[in-house]
Amino acid sequence: NAGVTQTPKFRVLKTGQSMTLLCAQDMNHEYMYWYRQDPGMGLRLIHYSVGEGTTAKGEVPDGYNVSRLKKQNFLLGLESAAPSQTSVYFCASSRASTGTNEKLFFGSGTQLSVL
Amino acid sequence: QKEVEQDPGPLSVPEGAIVSLNCTYSNSAFQYFMWYRQYSRKGPELLMYTYSSGNKEDGRFTAQVDKSSKYISLFIRDSQPSDSATYLCAMSARSNYQLIWGAGTKLIIKP
Repeated sequence: NAGVTQTPKFRVLKTGQSMTLLCAQDMNHEYMYWYRQDPGMGLRLIHYSVGEGTTAKGEVPDGYNVSRLKKQNFLLGLESAAPSQTSVYFCASSRASTGTNEKLFFGSGTQLSVL
Repeated sequence: QKEVEQDPGPLSVPEGAIVSLNCTYSNSAFQYFMWYRQYSRKGPELLMYTYSSGNKEDGRFTAQVDKSSKYISLFIRDSQPSDSATYLCAMSARSNYQLIWGAGTKLIIKP
């Protein structure tokens, strides 16, 4: 019963380096999301996808790109990492839109530090 | 000013106490209100949700919404050390996809 799996769990980057975070879900959910969580800020939506091949910007999309080539996977890319991107990143999925009472299923997070 | 305000705590109470966690919000369009629980180094998990105003009870947990005051609460009865976690409120308006999150309140239950 894997649910939502994120890799890697920890990563340290130098400013200007690039990396990709991988999210995989085995619940056949249509909707997938990338959030970042910073102290005192709550969860902020970076990008989301409403189905395979679609992506959309969230609240804080600058500096990030995403792709949803397969329904079960949602990738988050940082092309040129900056210290301001130091954060904990969470992937989530849901069966339908969170505009109602739909439950979000979260991964365990990726702790990213940019030096 | 944030759309959703939540006291970050920490809130420390003895085991067995009744805990009250709260969020205030400014957007009167919010209709769906949720509480997520997040243990250290884990992702949040849905604890309770309510639609519009009123109360909802699930075991030791009660969620309350007062739309006239733009105020929601989560009550925990007979608190246990296993309830120690960060509690996040989240809310949405039907018109869009996005959940708006509070910053979370860290709760510590002392044995």
